[in-house]
Amino acid sequence: EVQLVESGGGLVQPGGSLRLSCAASGFIFSSYWMHWVRQVPGKGLLWVSRTNSDGSTTTYADSVKGRFTISRDNAKNTLYLQMNSLRAEDTAVYYCARWSGYYGGMDVWGQGTTVTVSS
Amino acid sequence: DIVMTQTPLSSPVTLGQPASISCRSSQSLVHSDGNTYLSWLQQRPGQPPRLLIYKISNHFSGVPDRFSGSGAGTDFTLKISRVEAEDVGIYYCMQATHFPYTFGQGTKLEIK
Repeated sequence: EVQLVESGGGLVQPGGSLRLSCAASGFIFSSYWMHWVRQVPGKGLLWVSRTNSDGSTTTYADSVKGRFTISRDNAKNTLYLQMNSLRAEDTAVYYCARWSGYYGGMDVWGQGTTVTVSS
Repeated sequence: DIVMTQTPLSSPVTLGQPASISCRSSQSLVHSDGNTYLSWLQQRPGQPPRLLIYKISNHFSGVPDRFSGSGAGTDFTLKISRVEAEDVGIYYCMQATHFPYTFGQGTKLEIK
């Protein structure tokens, strides 16, 4: 079964750091671009970051540029999001998603992990 | 950034009746490669988003035929021919033609 499972969310103080993980299974992880998308509870979706299949190319939303770092370990089939200098407005559910070049869309989504930034 | 505007934001529908959601982009979504990267996602309560329609009108695997997508350029529509109880949720359009990728605000489909 194709699956993405996020972990690493939690409560952190403003200015703190957190690293999210996304474990992939059921497909050849190293063949796919991967994304992070977040959703403030009760609100819409916001694209956060993406990385190409070998991790050599990364892109970020302006709101997280310079604070967040996306990376991947293809040997461990895992995607990461290192989040530093966290702000209250970063509070959200964070989803990892697989990009399908064939479909031209995000065809597999994880269940999400919740990040709460509060003192 | 490309702004994606969905209407309506809320759609109460009677079971078995049709529903329609509009999505308008602030710029054309035709990519230089000729494709239009407009997709529709469904988010059921308490669930992650799920891909329904890709490249305007193509059904993702397992999506019922009662869902259909149409449109071109800057105007797109998702239609449900006969709404069923399992269709309750929030529907998002998403563009992946221009960076950063952006989503519509979401349309909440509920049963009357």
